[in-house]
Amino acid sequence: SAVISQKPSRDICQRGTSLTIQCQVDSQVTMMFWYRQQPGQSLTLIATANQGSEATYESGFVIDKFPISRPNLTFSTLTVSNMSPEDSSIYLCSVEVRVSEPFFGPGTRLTVL
Amino acid sequence: GQNIDQPTEMTATEGAIVQINCTYQTSGFNGLFWYQQHAGEAPTFLSYNVLDGLEEKGRFSSFLSRSKGYSYLLLKELQMKDSASYLCAVKDSNYQLIWGAGTKLIIKP
Repeated sequence: SAVISQKPSRDICQRGTSLTIQCQVDSQVTMMFWYRQQPGQSLTLIATANQGSEATYESGFVIDKFPISRPNLTFSTLTVSNMSPEDSSIYLCSVEVRVSEPFFGPGTRLTVL
Repeated sequence: GQNIDQPTEMTATEGAIVQINCTYQTSGFNGLFWYQQHAGEAPTFLSYNVLDGLEEKGRFSSFLSRSKGYSYLLLKELQMKDSASYLCAVKDSNYQLIWGAGTKLIIKP
């Protein structure tokens, strides 16, 4: 199993500002995943973060809006840039220790005013 | 395109049994997952099926038929704490997780 922590757990931000979310895992993992879950919706994959290379973004998500860092095998950050109310969502970090069991962090609940 | 369908909402009575269905159409198949998500919390892993058949784990069981693109999650002896959303997800040929919209399960006394 894996224990994942995220900071902050929640935040209320003003339009036009940026927020960086941190994800820490208690073991080394090759890939880390960032998801968004908008109110009442299911999970949407934003990007996959590999250590030592640029993140791979899914359709509809771009690096300028969601820059990601992956400095080592246990840590990653996701920045939500130039925020608007449409970015209000839960942001989740996920890892897969084994193929058959993806784990999720507790999530960061973001509200943009 | 890739698609996963599950009912939006279901209601059941405490102590009863409920079956949540999931049908999928994906490019390839590398396993099906069920997650439980309480409001405001992260999803927690319930089950994983990669071969046809029934996997039982306590009060929860999950069934898979790959030929039919179909799975269900069976919850027995329902408790009030089982009120949550249940998410079905499939790993496609690229091992990417494709998520259903989730089924909100309401348990009544």
